[in-house]
Amino acid sequence: GENVEQHPSTLSVQEGDSAVIKCTYSDSASNYFPWYKQELGKGPQLIIDIRSNVGEKKDQRIAVTLNKTAKHFSLHITETQPEDSAVYFCAPKKGGYQKVTFGTGTKLQVIP
Amino acid sequence: DADVTQTPRNRITKTGKRIMLECSQTKGHDRMYWYRQDPGLGLRLIYYSFDVKDINKGEISDGYSVSRQAQAKFSLSLESAIPNQTALYFCATSSTGNEKLFFGSGTQLSVL
Repeated sequence: GENVEQHPSTLSVQEGDSAVIKCTYSDSASNYFPWYKQELGKGPQLIIDIRSNVGEKKDQRIAVTLNKTAKHFSLHITETQPEDSAVYFCAPKKGGYQKVTFGTGTKLQVIP
Repeated sequence: DADVTQTPRNRITKTGKRIMLECSQTKGHDRMYWYRQDPGLGLRLIYYSFDVKDINKGEISDGYSVSRQAQAKFSLSLESAIPNQTALYFCATSSTGNEKLFFGSGTQLSVL
């Protein structure tokens, strides 16, 4: 099965700084790479995703980059704000299969 | 109103009791899932359903059963609850051809 590792497990940054979370996966057939944000008391919510035919995708302050050769993808948050404080999960998946393997999560704390 | 609604939000029960967690959705999605979240372990798939007559085991189905009563409803049952089933349970939905998962707010279950 897919082995997914997410680093770091916790991350504290000053407001306005950037944050980067990395997700490493093992299955070279994975072709869909999403990031979910889970706020306290809520379910995970998709914030950005990328497919294997694209190397980078941006949406305002967040971006995802993919390195298929090295089998890792990263979440980048720039100009962090207190509302970015949450737990972030990666969840790589391969097409045609329903099983999604979630990373163990990264707790991001943005210090005002 | 939430698109994916889980009831109850919190439940405390005793070992050996039967318990049902319910999920309903107004998104019109055909696929529904039950996940379990434990600290430090990410989310793990219990069961999933692609349609009303379709039930599939996930990676941790032992001790659980599900029922897809209608396209909009998917319930999870613990026939005889045990303490290591204490966890946060999430229902999620998606539509065929779209990888994105939409989660409910979760049910915190405690088995004493």
